[in-house]
Amino acid sequence: ETGVTQTPRHLVMGMTNKKSLKCEQHLGHNAMYWYKQSAKKPLELMFVYSLEERVENNSVPSRFSPECPNSSHLFLHLHTLQPEDSALYLCASSQDQRGYYGYTFGSGTRLTVV
Amino acid sequence: DQQVKQNSPSLSVQEGRISILNCDYTNSMFDYFLWYKKYPAEGPTFLISISSIKDKNEDGRFTVFLNKSAKHLSLHIVPSQPGDSAVYFCATTGGATNKLIFGTGTLLAVQP
Repeated sequence: ETGVTQTPRHLVMGMTNKKSLKCEQHLGHNAMYWYKQSAKKPLELMFVYSLEERVENNSVPSRFSPECPNSSHLFLHLHTLQPEDSALYLCASSQDQRGYYGYTFGSGTRLTVV
Repeated sequence: DQQVKQNSPSLSVQEGRISILNCDYTNSMFDYFLWYKKYPAEGPTFLISISSIKDKNEDGRFTVFLNKSAKHLSLHIVPSQPGDSAVYFCATTGGATNKLIFGTGTLLAVQP
């Protein structure tokens, strides 16, 4: 247990479904992140939240919608996904956005779009 | 443009031997470097870090070396164990960068 909890661990959804991924941290961190890791590809940064404000959106399609209601929780709302969106979705948090204290990652949600 | 490169996508080593994973970066303003280890279907976990004021940091079997003039970072694992088999990411920050920048990863396989 790293201190960053992601649920669910596994998710299978159809292309017309709507689902949400949840991330929770009680480390007192101020920044939270969503990453995508596809098979045999590097980590792709999707969104960055600092003090609950979205500070970075890396050209992510609108079918992915993040939400950060408070500093401890981060959601990724999914709708009308494509099979190529199947991947491991990782949440991370950090004390400072620049990373001098490192990022703490959750165990990820393995998403399969059918 | 990739600012942090791990040019070897994979590495295979015999158990008990040394594993050397390499990382190159382009920005001389980067001043803090980290290595993460990732098992399949899990998130990366922090392994070891080094500040640019040092050229070596050691933690048990893991040693990180920093060559600032060459903009090169390496992770040495000795002796290597089968449980070390994982993907290793280097990461860095500093200068005008507002986040950690990760390399592309190297898959290490330690053969029993």
